[in-house]
Amino acid sequence: GAVVSQHPSRVICKSGTSVKIECRSLDFQATTMFWYRQFPKQSLMLMATSNEGSKATYEQGVEKDKFLINHASLTLSTLTVTSAHPEDSSFYICSAFSGTENYGYTFGSGTRLTVV
Amino acid sequence: DQQVKQNSPSLSVQEGRISILNCDYTNSMFDYFLWYKKYPAEGPTFLISISSIKDKNEDGRFTVFLNKSAKHLSLHIVPSQPGDSAVYFCAAGGGGADGLTFGKGTHLIIQP
Repeated sequence: GAVVSQHPSRVICKSGTSVKIECRSLDFQATTMFWYRQFPKQSLMLMATSNEGSKATYEQGVEKDKFLINHASLTLSTLTVTSAHPEDSSFYICSAFSGTENYGYTFGSGTRLTVV
Repeated sequence: DQQVKQNSPSLSVQEGRISILNCDYTNSMFDYFLWYKKYPAEGPTFLISISSIKDKNEDGRFTVFLNKSAKHLSLHIVPSQPGDSAVYFCAAGGGGADGLTFGKGTHLIIQP
């Protein structure tokens, strides 16, 4: 089946620094990738939809200048949290759309970001 | 406004019995629904899905029922096993390559 690799699995950074998270589709091409964020005991909230070769579409309330998304190839999307603050600490999960089984959604293993 | 609701934060079931997890939605435009199992600090793992044109889908120990008129779906796990202990998320999607809308999850605990 489709596999999505997400790195790093956890990262700790200082306030004010930037962190990049990578999401790769390993055995399929994903024209569309999604980025979710999950706070403790909350649901996964869609942050943005990333389409290869075009600008990402952000959900309401998500700052596009803070969460930079790049989808430069059919197998890689990156999320960069810029000028991170402690309130950005969360669990970030990517999902790639393969358009096949399970309605095409395959999730990465997530990234635990802690901003200190 | 929460479009997908899982009103039970947790559920405790004895091993061997049936586990029933419930999910309600408000958006009538959703046309497919999925259930995911999730462990802490891991991504969701797909379990089972159902199209809005069906009312039941079965896969091994997992069965999902959909009641469109009530905007309600449920996941049945039978028999429940200790390895089923996890958080279960209900998710809904529209047509095309849309992102999913998730419920808050239900923590299922299988007791020996």
